[in-house]
Amino acid sequence: QSVLTQPPSVSAAPGQKVTISCSGSSSKIGSNYVSWYQQLPGTAPKLLIYEDDKRPSGIPDRFSGSKSGTSATLGITGLQTGDEADYYCGTWDSSLSAVWVFGGGTKVTVL
Amino acid sequence: VQLVQSGAEVKKPGESLKISCKGSGYRFTSYWIAWVRQTPGKGLEWMGIIYPGDSDTIYSPSFQGQVTISADESIDTAYLQWTSLKASDTAMYYCARQPSSPRYCSDGDCYFDSWGQGTLVTVSS
Repeated sequence: QSVLTQPPSVSAAPGQKVTISCSGSSSKIGSNYVSWYQQLPGTAPKLLIYEDDKRPSGIPDRFSGSKSGTSATLGITGLQTGDEADYYCGTWDSSLSAVWVFGGGTKVTVL
Repeated sequence: VQLVQSGAEVKKPGESLKISCKGSGYRFTSYWIAWVRQTPGKGLEWMGIIYPGDSDTIYSPSFQGQVTISADESIDTAYLQWTSLKASDTAMYYCARQPSSPRYCSDGDCYFDSWGQGTLVTVSS
């Protein structure tokens, strides 16, 4: 069971929008920035969103991030078949354990 | 920026192993390098992180004492090693670059902006 909670899967038709939630606690999402990672099948994770809502160079604006309180959300608009992947949220845990934590991952399926 | 990891390994329980992660395209000593384990059952797990500039290292309590993270700044390479492997160590291991110290994550720059391709470690008798 992961420290950050994500839905196991979401799906939508091409061109539609999906959102992926990531919930945690005050010592995690509530106190630190959230980043999101895309893992295409058979490849390493790739940074998609950092510091809650910033996109690295080269990431299309179809991908967006937001945060409110102890929850964060990744949005993907104009869904494409190439977006089929696992998506993970992550943040630092400022509690006594002092570790980086990931969500359990969400599989996005394009119908 | 590129992180290139060593190749897949097949080991027996009780054997030792050291895998590597070589950085290029940036100043290796100015960024932190984390190690992340991925297993089908447990997803992504952060194992620990090292600053090659001074070898400052932070371990996850879950992995403290189970692995050793090190770095050789002269060859821009970070390492993850085991002295006695178990079957439960079977996993894909990734290295990933982080711009800032995890001790100051609330200030920003705490994310993994570049990842190695992964090293598959299989431990089986």
